[in-house]
Amino acid sequence: EAQLVQSGAEVKKPGASVRISCKASGYIFIDYYIHWVRQAPGKGLEWLGLVDPEDDEVVYAENFQGRVSLTADRSTDTSFMEVNNLKSEDTALYFCARKLPVAHDAFDVWGQGTMVTVSS
Amino acid sequence: QSVVTQPPSASGTPGQRVTISCSGGSSNIGSNTVSWYQQVPETTPKLLIYNDNQRPQGVPDRFSASKSGTSASLAISGLQSEDEADYYCAAWDDSLDAVIFAGGTKLTVL
Repeated sequence: EAQLVQSGAEVKKPGASVRISCKASGYIFIDYYIHWVRQAPGKGLEWLGLVDPEDDEVVYAENFQGRVSLTADRSTDTSFMEVNNLKSEDTALYFCARKLPVAHDAFDVWGQGTMVTVSS
Repeated sequence: QSVVTQPPSASGTPGQRVTISCSGGSSNIGSNTVSWYQQVPETTPKLLIYNDNQRPQGVPDRFSASKSGTSASLAISGLQSEDEADYYCAAWDDSLDAVIFAGGTKLTVL
């Protein structure tokens, strides 16, 4: 069974950085793009970007360009998301998700989510 | 405000058929496929529909979807109490080079 398991909750101060991991299992890691999505408390879903684990190609949402970094480690089947210069409005539940090859936006397997709290 | 929009709320009674609309533009829904997600409170989103109208394995055929031009819709027939959730549509936007999620529709089963 395909699965994505994320690292645990984080509490950070404004201006700090956070790095979240997303470990894949049960499928061939390089065959599926990994996307990252976040959800602020009580709010909707917001797309952050994607990484292709096969060739490390990345695409970032315009709002996060320069502040978010997505990577993939083929030796451990793990994707990472780093967010720099955290602000209080970055407080959210962050998800990684696997994209079906047949569509741009079909995410069939999701990580359990990692809560990031930014507070002074 | 997202470039793809949904009504914030919808409701229905058990057994009823409800539809949720999703409106976009030529750079997203008008030129790319639409996916739909269900998110029960405190759980991760679940893929309900992809490529406008395809159901992943395991999704009941009570869920169906369609698209016309720059709008899409999700229909749920034989509404059940466990269908109470937030529903999101999503599409790739060619102008933004991004996946766009609409704001979500909270479905209440009365």
